[in-house]
Amino acid sequence: DAKTTQPPSMDCAEGRAANLPCNHSTISGNEYVYWYRQIHSQGPQYIIHGLKNNETNEMASLIITEDRKSSTLILPHATLRDTAVYYCIVRGVTSGTYKYIFGTGTRLKVLA
Amino acid sequence: EAGVVQSPRYKIIEKKQPVAFWCNPISGHNTLYWYRQNLGQGPELLIRYENEEAVDDSQLPKDRFSAERLKGVDSTLKIQPAELGDSAVYLCASSPFRASSYNEQFFGPGTRLTVL
Repeated sequence: DAKTTQPPSMDCAEGRAANLPCNHSTISGNEYVYWYRQIHSQGPQYIIHGLKNNETNEMASLIITEDRKSSTLILPHATLRDTAVYYCIVRGVTSGTYKYIFGTGTRLKVLA
Repeated sequence: EAGVVQSPRYKIIEKKQPVAFWCNPISGHNTLYWYRQNLGQGPELLIRYENEEAVDDSQLPKDRFSAERLKGVDSTLKIQPAELGDSAVYLCASSPFRASSYNEQFFGPGTRLTVL
């Protein structure tokens, strides 16, 4: 299963775009990139996922490089409520079952 | 729609005592997961159920941990006896069956276990 590398922490000004990078250089062709976030004292929450193409939903955009070795999660207009730990996950298949392997994530702090 | 329900939210026990956590997944979700999250780390999968069947328990420490999902709905995770290193947040998640490879997991708030 591919592993991910993320910066441990980032700051972002409220109202600005937050760009969270993730490196997954060992990703396989059939593995998806998922992003979750975890607000303090809550369980992780799904944000977005993708395979090859860029994706956008009401929460965020996901930009995946052409070689798929890295991706960037973009929160277009960060608010204080976006302060959380963001996890980039490559969803692999181990022994026939899909498995999430969480790293330590990026702690995003949105500043007023 | 109600989310994943877990209880208790907090539990403090002394080492060597038993402890149990309960999870009620989202209605209709056939897949249930138990994760353990140590302080400052991401969640680690302990066990995954498809209906009543445990399809991946490779990371479950079977000498002291056990889990069950009778009737394919609620699930219980037990530790007996607890050790100091078991202090962590225990998360339950569920997901619906999807024929495609898309898999969104819905997490509960977790149970924070402190072993003294």
